[in-house]
Amino acid sequence: AQKVTQAQTEISVVEKEDVTLDCVYETRDTTYYLFWYKQPPSGELVFLIRRNSFDEQNEISGRYSWNFQKSTSSFNFTITASQVVDSAVYFCALRGRRSSGSARQLTFGSGTQLTVLP
Amino acid sequence: SQTIHQWPATLVQPVGSPLSLECTVEGTSNPNLYWYRQAAGRGLQLLFYSVGIGQISSEVPQNLSASRPQDRQFILSSKKLLLSDSGFYLCAWSGGAGYPVGTEAFFGQGTRLTVV
Repeated sequence: AQKVTQAQTEISVVEKEDVTLDCVYETRDTTYYLFWYKQPPSGELVFLIRRNSFDEQNEISGRYSWNFQKSTSSFNFTITASQVVDSAVYFCALRGRRSSGSARQLTFGSGTQLTVLP
Repeated sequence: SQTIHQWPATLVQPVGSPLSLECTVEGTSNPNLYWYRQAAGRGLQLLFYSVGIGQISSEVPQNLSASRPQDRQFILSSKKLLLSDSGFYLCAWSGGAGYPVGTEAFFGQGTRLTVV
């Protein structure tokens, strides 16, 4: 069974602060894929990033960075110099290599509501 | 490029009425298609998925059903809505056979359903 845990239900920061969203996962697959999605108030889930379990190189994209730690089963997401427009619910998700019988479904965490105050 | 369309955006329906939500994907063939529901608590629950025309799998027994009459069309239905069917419904697609397993899913803009 797969499981994704986002222990932080809500986070509030003041604009320009850095913020890290935590994600811890469980899977029996040796190969798996991790994702982050952003859900702004409009509701649509926007794909942000995918990481493969065999590639632990961390990534920076503009103000976003991701820290994948296989040893601790964590895939954390950091926003540097946060902005009001970053306010959204952020979801971490997992897909195992096999995903047998589930057509490659994603297992989502419960989401973290990020509020960036001006 | 691929796009996904979902409609209507909002819907208010009385208890006991039927439901039909439609989702179409453009720019790809034989996608995997999904219906998710997001209740007020934010969690995303997979309702149905489909790997091909006429092939539907249900993840959670409920008052809803899904159909895939065409390769890129996915429909969520109910014969009689319940109050508990209220929520935010999201359609998604990901690459099917021939795509890497780790391919991401892309979501439609969602339908906010309120059953009154």
